[in-house]
Amino acid sequence: DGGITQSPKYLFRKEGQNVTLSCEQNLNHDAMYWYRQDPGQGLRLIYYSQIVNDFQKGDIAEGYSVSREKKESFPLTVTSAQKNPTAFYLCASSLIQGRNSPLHFGNGTRLTVT
Amino acid sequence: AQTVTQSQPEMSVQEAETVTLSCTYDTSESDYYLFWYKQPPSRQMILVIRQEAYKQQNATENRFSVNFQKAAKSFSLKISDSQLGDAAMYFCAYRSVMSGTYKYIFGTGTRLKVLA
Repeated sequence: DGGITQSPKYLFRKEGQNVTLSCEQNLNHDAMYWYRQDPGQGLRLIYYSQIVNDFQKGDIAEGYSVSREKKESFPLTVTSAQKNPTAFYLCASSLIQGRNSPLHFGNGTRLTVT
Repeated sequence: AQTVTQSQPEMSVQEAETVTLSCTYDTSESDYYLFWYKQPPSRQMILVIRQEAYKQQNATENRFSVNFQKAAKSFSLKISDSQLGDAAMYFCAYRSVMSGTYKYIFGTGTRLKVLA
């Protein structure tokens, strides 16, 4: 079955360490997205990519980095510059050609930094 | 920039009754898409319903329907015959199609409680 795989489900890191969250999709979707979810703040866009080797900053990109070397993969690195990295992270993808294409989501990664 | 506002942090409904969740948005575009997503305790995001802005007819999916008022920039979700499994966070989302940038912007969500 096609879908989006995020790994791991839970991730623990010490403060000052960089950490990379994995996101892989086999839906042949053009666009991929990273969202951060905090209680009471909904989903906030970190980065998105509409084509391989290209990506754009979302609303809260500071302290994060991404790459899009393959259509299927869009890893997110949470750097030590991110001041409050503990959160739930959701990866998503969508078609671009389909005008009403909804977002398809992975199951998320819960990152805890202590 | 577009914004999405969900003014009801929490709502409650009695099982089998009807509830309406509110969503308003701000945009200068005339063509866009709107979505409602459900996030149960598992935290998996599930598409509930979608609406094309150029369509006047309100979308319906079984017990879920929307009231889309384009001039008022309002996109409310009505859940009929509420069931215990409807208890979840509900997010309204906006997708631009005119700018060539396919961003999805979400509201802050409404937590729906279903009372037995």
